[in-house]
Amino acid sequence: EMQLLESGGGLVQSGGSLRLSCAVSGFTFSNYAMSWVRQAPGKGLEWVSTISGSGGSTYYADSVKGRFTISRDKSTNMLHLQMNSLRAEDTAVYYCAKDLRIVATIILDLWGQGTLVTVSS
Amino acid sequence: QSVLTQPPSVSGAPGQRVTISCTGSSSNIGAGYDVNWYQHLAGTAPKLLIFGNKNRPSGVPDRFSGSKSGTSASLAISGLQAEDEADYYCQSYDSGLRGVFGTGTKVTVL
Repeated sequence: EMQLLESGGGLVQSGGSLRLSCAVSGFTFSNYAMSWVRQAPGKGLEWVSTISGSGGSTYYADSVKGRFTISRDKSTNMLHLQMNSLRAEDTAVYYCAKDLRIVATIILDLWGQGTLVTVSS
Repeated sequence: QSVLTQPPSVSGAPGQRVTISCTGSSSNIGAGYDVNWYQHLAGTAPKLLIFGNKNRPSGVPDRFSGSKSGTSASLAISGLQAEDEADYYCQSYDSGLRGVFGTGTKVTVL
């Protein structure tokens, strides 16, 4: 069974850092691009970042560019999101999601349950 | 701030057909980018319903259909069922392969 399991969320002060992880199982990790999508309390979904299956291409929303870094480790089947200079507006549930293809298409056909990040000001 | 606009809510009785619109601009849907649709029940993982404007992933009932024209797209749910009560999001792309989601629509089954 294909599964995504996020971890690493928690409470952090404004200006701080946090690293989210997503454990992948049930499919060949390197064959698919991966993304992070977030949902702030009471708000809709917001695309955050995508990385290609090879890891050679990365894409970011303007709201996080320069502060967040997406990466993947094929030896551990893990996706990561390093979040620096966190702001109150970064407070959200962060979802890890699998792409339909190896290149980034942002067609997300499998999602995790999410991990909550709370940034206190 | 989302650049794709959806109605905040739509409702229908069981068995009815409802449609959800997704209005973009010349920099996203109107630029020829495809539209995908997701279903999201609170507290659960979102689910891909439609990709590439009108294609259904395996396992998605044919009660769900998608279309696109110009700067807009639509999701139709026919034969509305109680289990369809959820939030629905369209998603497309802005210039430079940046994903953009719609504002979201809450579907209520009366």
